Amino acid sequence: SQKIEQNSEALNIQEGKTATLTCNYTNYSPAYLQWYRQDPGRGPVFLLLIRENEKEKRKERLKVTFDTTLKQSLFHITASQPADSATYLCALWTGANNLFFGTGTRLTVIP
Amino acid sequence: DAGVIQSPRHEVTEMGQEVTLRCKPISGHNSLFWYRQTMMRGLELLIYFNNNVPIDDSGMPEDRFSAKMPNASFSTLKIQPSEPRDSAVYFCASSTLTGNGETQYFGPGTRLLVL
Repeated sequence: SQKIEQNSEALNIQEGKTATLTCNYTNYSPAYLQWYRQDPGRGPVFLLLIRENEKEKRKERLKVTFDTTLKQSLFHITASQPADSATYLCALWTGANNLFFGTGTRLTVIP
Repeated sequence: DAGVIQSPRHEVTEMGQEVTLRCKPISGHNSLFWYRQTMMRGLELLIYFNNNVPIDDSGMPEDRFSAKMPNASFSTLKIQPSEPRDSAVYFCASSTLTGNGETQYFGPGTRLLVL
């Protein structure tokens, strides 16, 4: 069956450290992988998109990697801040014009 | 642009009542998506439209759910009759049809509680 798993429901890290979130998938062949941020009481907000032929994408303190052999994406936030505390969702786009979302990882950055 | 607009933001109703959720997508976007989010199941796609035409409604839980998109700037999701297990946050999202990964823009959601 098709599955998208994000490493843990919750992740706590100390301010200033690098947060690493994992997204693993099975029985999908995504052409693109996206990461979204969701704050309590709000809808998800797009952060980054990476294509299947790209290994890495960066945006400010964010970095995403995509390994289609391992069927895994890693999402890194460097120099983390309390304002980075949120739930982060990975989503796969397979070409059918809809996204398949993981269940999310709730990140808490402790001051 | 105001972004995706959803109404109402909160809805409390009694079991058996009809519920109608509304969505206005971002102007110029030609795809619209309805999702349901719960703690147990995460974000689930219910139905999506391309150019006002329903493309995939396989996520609609049962016949009690129906969705329409009469024009490019308006969509509704209706639940009739509502049941307590329908309690969730319902999101509408829109995007452009590019074939290049289709970033989706989400509304603020409607928090539905069925008593």
